[in-house]
Amino acid sequence: GAGVSQTPSNKVTEKGKYVELRCDPISGHTALYWYRQSLGQGPEFLIYFQGTGAADDSGLPNDRFFAVRPEGSVSTLKIQRTERGDSAVYLCASSLMGAGSKNIQYFGAGTRLSVL
Amino acid sequence: DAKTTQPPSMDCAEGRAANLPCNHSTISGNEYVYWYRQIHSQGPQYIIHGLKNNETNEMASLIITEDRKSSTLILPHATLRDTAVYYCIVRVAPFPEAGGTSYGKLTFGQGTILTVHP
Repeated sequence: GAGVSQTPSNKVTEKGKYVELRCDPISGHTALYWYRQSLGQGPEFLIYFQGTGAADDSGLPNDRFFAVRPEGSVSTLKIQRTERGDSAVYLCASSLMGAGSKNIQYFGAGTRLSVL
Repeated sequence: DAKTTQPPSMDCAEGRAANLPCNHSTISGNEYVYWYRQIHSQGPQYIIHGLKNNETNEMASLIITEDRKSSTLILPHATLRDTAVYYCIVRVAPFPEAGGTSYGKLTFGQGTILTVHP
């Protein structure tokens, strides 16, 4: 079956613009995660969904960042008024939940965001 | 989640075993050790996890010391495709049969850059 799919793979935008990054999780995975990875660093947690609701959004850096998952499957990470410091690779992961799942997170290849 | 310490880089010859250490001296009794790796331009990939017993799967073996304060990931016959950043992560049991209810974040450190050379 298909893995986690992220689109676009690359996004170049100008400072101050609005961007949306999309994540298609593995079918049937109820948990979905967003991470951000700066050059030379490990991924940094942003937000995690159980179904449609955000169970933990403690990693979102400020109110310019917002994520939704309206039907419990596809998720969109939205960044308003982008800044050059937002440039990074944005990673999405999904996992099964419940007994026997081991909660292994499967990652997509990421979206590389460049803010000029 | 407990903090982990890993060497920044290691080298290994192709075909030899790669032994990647991780220190987690503040690990709690209900925390598991997870290993992920990230090959260049890809997302992280799960390798293996364990609580206190040694574990083995088709990718690697995980050796956890008796006091659980450190562990070693072993790739028995490293290939060039094993060149990657390897992350050791300690987290509270993320699944219900282990008594955990936290399905949340993975906390990545800097990891170990493993370079496998011919």
